[in-house]
This record gives sequence, structure tokens and C-alpha cells, in this order.
Amino acid sequence: DAKTTQPTSMDCAEGRAANLPCNHSTISGNEYVYWYRQIHSQGPQYIIHGLKNNETNEMASLIITEDRKSSTLILPHATLRDTAVYYCIVRVGSVLTGANSKLTFGKGITLSVRP
Amino acid sequence: DTGVSQDPRHKITKRGQNVTFRCDPISEHNRLYWYRQTLGQGPEFLTYFQNEAQLEKSRLLSDRFSAERPKGSFSTLEIQRTEQGDSAMYLCASSLEAGGRTGELFFGEGSRLTVL
Repeated sequence: DAKTTQPTSMDCAEGRAANLPCNHSTISGNEYVYWYRQIHSQGPQYIIHGLKNNETNEMASLIITEDRKSSTLILPHATLRDTAVYYCIVRVGSVLTGANSKLTFGKGITLSVRP
Repeated sequence: DTGVSQDPRHKITKRGQNVTFRCDPISEHNRLYWYRQTLGQGPEFLTYFQNEAQLEKSRLLSDRFSAERPKGSFSTLEIQRTEQGDSAMYLCASSLEAGGRTGELFFGEGSRLTVL
């Protein structure tokens, strides 16, 4: 069962910030929020993950609400190369050795960056 | 390139033929995953290995599918008696799990299968 819900699609102008929302109202205390993206005909690419604090790396920022029921991925200055499907996934952060820590993908949100 | 590599990138076959895909993970990664992706859908989990042990198989992995990771390094995914419904992108990913902490999955570019 999908644990996250995302809009189907959105677009933004090149150079502007892209804010991608995600709802995960049933998230458990030991689950992290992960974001991956998939550019056409390529494998998914890791972007960022977080537990409860906001996170930032060279690709994006992740803002998680205080109740952890939703989050927003922010691409600060979107470029045409950011056009992709973005997946928001919840995943346990630590498991008993050998336990499955797979990623369960939904359909994601298609971001189109327009010139 | 030290990322996950998959071979072949594209395979066209006739229904009923067998096909095999290979995945070479990032060298120090102890976990290896196989996923399948059809058009318009997110990747679906098929199976995963911890070193050479296959620890879980999805119910999507019918008995025509078999995966191996004989020495805990590269892995193969074989599909016997292919059907048109097997047409999909087959993705491999690897990760490092240490001390119970899960690492990010790194994906390969995928092997696209077309069954005629």
C-alpha cells in the first residue's frame, strides 16, 4: 500500500524554485522521508532524506512539518534538466540485520520545467 | 565509472525465449535489489540479496523468474519462456547496510526488455 500521496504533476519556470509537496500522514516514528527522481529513460537517483529536521544538500532542501505528516522538496533554482518524475518515499532508517529495507515507489509527481 | 552497471541496456526477444540480465553493483555494497518498471508506473520491487543470500522475493516474481548472486558480487536475473507481459525496464540497485543502518539505494540505468 502506498504510504505517500503526491499530486500527479506540476510545472514551474526555469530559474524559479520548485516546491514539490508530499503527504505521509501514517508515517511511523522510525521512518525517514526519502526523495528520488527519475529522468526519462534513466534509473532513479537519490536526492535527499530526513527524519524530522529540515535537510539541505547540493541538490535540494527538504522541509518536514513538525507533526511529520507532510513534507516539501524544494529545488531552489529549477533548470530544464530538473524535468523528471519525483518520488516521495517513507522508509525505515534502521532494521534488524537482514531485514528488508526496500524502497516502495508510488507513481510520483511529474515536474516539468518550462523555459 | 564506479556506479551500478547493467547489461544489456536493451533486449528484444520473441515470446517463449529465455533472457538473462546482469547487474554489477557498487563494489563495497552488500545489498542488491531488482525492480521492474512498466510505462507510467513507479518501480516495483522484485527481490533482494544480502551478500549471496536471497532474502525476499515479491509475489510478482513468478516461477519463470530466477535471480542469483553467486559470490555476493554481481547478480543475474533470468526470465524463462518470456511473455509479452514481461516487457518492462528491469532495474538493479545496490546499497550498503552496516550495523543495522540502511543506506541509500543507487540504481543502474536499467535493462529494457521488449517481448514480441
